[in-house]
Amino acid sequence: QQQVKQSPQSLIVQKGGISIINCAYENTAFDYFPWYQQFPGKGPALLIAIRPDVSEKKEGRFTISFNKSAKQFSLHIMDSQPGDSATYFCAASKKGGSEKLVFGKGTKLTVNP
Amino acid sequence: SAVISQKPSRDICQRGTSLTIQCQVDSQVTMMFWYRQQPGQSLTLIATANQGSEATYESGFVIDKFPISRPNLTFSTLTVSNMSPEDSSIYLCSVEGGKSYEQYFGPGTRLTVT
Repeated sequence: QQQVKQSPQSLIVQKGGISIINCAYENTAFDYFPWYQQFPGKGPALLIAIRPDVSEKKEGRFTISFNKSAKQFSLHIMDSQPGDSATYFCAASKKGGSEKLVFGKGTKLTVNP
Repeated sequence: SAVISQKPSRDICQRGTSLTIQCQVDSQVTMMFWYRQQPGQSLTLIATANQGSEATYESGFVIDKFPISRPNLTFSTLTVSNMSPEDSSIYLCSVEGGKSYEQYFGPGTRLTVT
């Protein structure tokens, strides 16, 4: 049973465009929703995270939108750059960093120059 | 954020042998996690390692195959035993961050079993 569903599997965006990746979860006990960015040959790097008490969190060009009633959250990358080309994973956990993360299947983002 | 190192960074091993992967953190942490990432796939938790207690394994992973040690608050090892080609994966350790609700990953160990 996949607890976090991520889409799309791959995404191609032009430089300067907006990249949007969506995730949906099933377990209402989840209370922490991070996004990780992974470059080839590297470990996942924590990009941005949100908790259910807010509907949006912005850090630079990266924004998480959270819809608790729909059990969905999304990552928006504004002004996408070729350097953003990577695989992005959404995740969820109960009790945050002290509990295991359940990951989505990942989205391979390609930003064309 | 925590600085995490893993050794080795990669290895090629023969079928039937074992490999021990080390994870070192630059600060004391209570919770450490071991994940597996198969080629082109997402991350799957193998086990959670708490200092001073037995590791807790996820469904599908057993201690005999993936024994874990956690001797102190900055170090852990994962052994992949009696390896087969299906064990070829990236093995990642992660730790809870200084702020609760954050978890950070090491660079990973890329294992190829021939």
